[in-house]
Amino acid sequence: SQQGEEDPQALSIQEGENATMNCSYKTSINNLQWYRQNSGRGLVHLILIRSNEREKHSGRLRVTLDTSKKSSSLLITASRAADTASYFCGGIQGFNKFYFGSGTKLNVKP
Amino acid sequence: GAVVSQHPSWVICKSGTSVKIECRSLDFQATTMFWYRQFPKQSLMLMATSNEGSKATYEQGVEKDKFLINHASLTLSTLTVTSAHPEDSSFYICSAKGQSPISGANVLTFGAGSRLTVL
Repeated sequence: SQQGEEDPQALSIQEGENATMNCSYKTSINNLQWYRQNSGRGLVHLILIRSNEREKHSGRLRVTLDTSKKSSSLLITASRAADTASYFCGGIQGFNKFYFGSGTKLNVKP
Repeated sequence: GAVVSQHPSWVICKSGTSVKIECRSLDFQATTMFWYRQFPKQSLMLMATSNEGSKATYEQGVEKDKFLINHASLTLSTLTVTSAHPEDSSFYICSAKGQSPISGANVLTFGAGSRLTVL
């Protein structure tokens, strides 16, 4: 991707299990954001974590940020079939440009 | 607050024609707008960054004469795909950066995307 990588590229789990996705980025950021995209649709903003934060929670979402490793993780607990989507991290990098990671395609089986 | 409208949501055109996609910030002023392109099962690739009143900055490999971007006002940016060909078929998404009318914080808000199919 332009400025970051995510792993795994694809993840398939059973409903009720936790899903963890990782994101790495290349240059310094002020904050990092996670988005969800259902197939062929627009983006839904999930959560923002600032560079001075290490962990943030929102409902079933938990995001961590390690600026020393330039990485972040998104944990979805007690996953549901409706969580099936692609998940992207992104942030302002370089000359005030917003780049996305390569994304993780999550499939939650009922 | 901080709503971005993108239009049209889908468009089908014949090869050789030009297509214009609009991105509007409805309740805030967008000093910067970004245009992305997404192929099936791939991530969003930044095409260009536009600042109101100045020329857009294109990412490496993006043809500026092919993808014309105009950011003439603080609430509107347009992407025109000129002389479209089937390989230009893609999902195009814009985003607008500005100050939220509610929180006052800088926000980055995405449009719902436009699906272009060139026959």
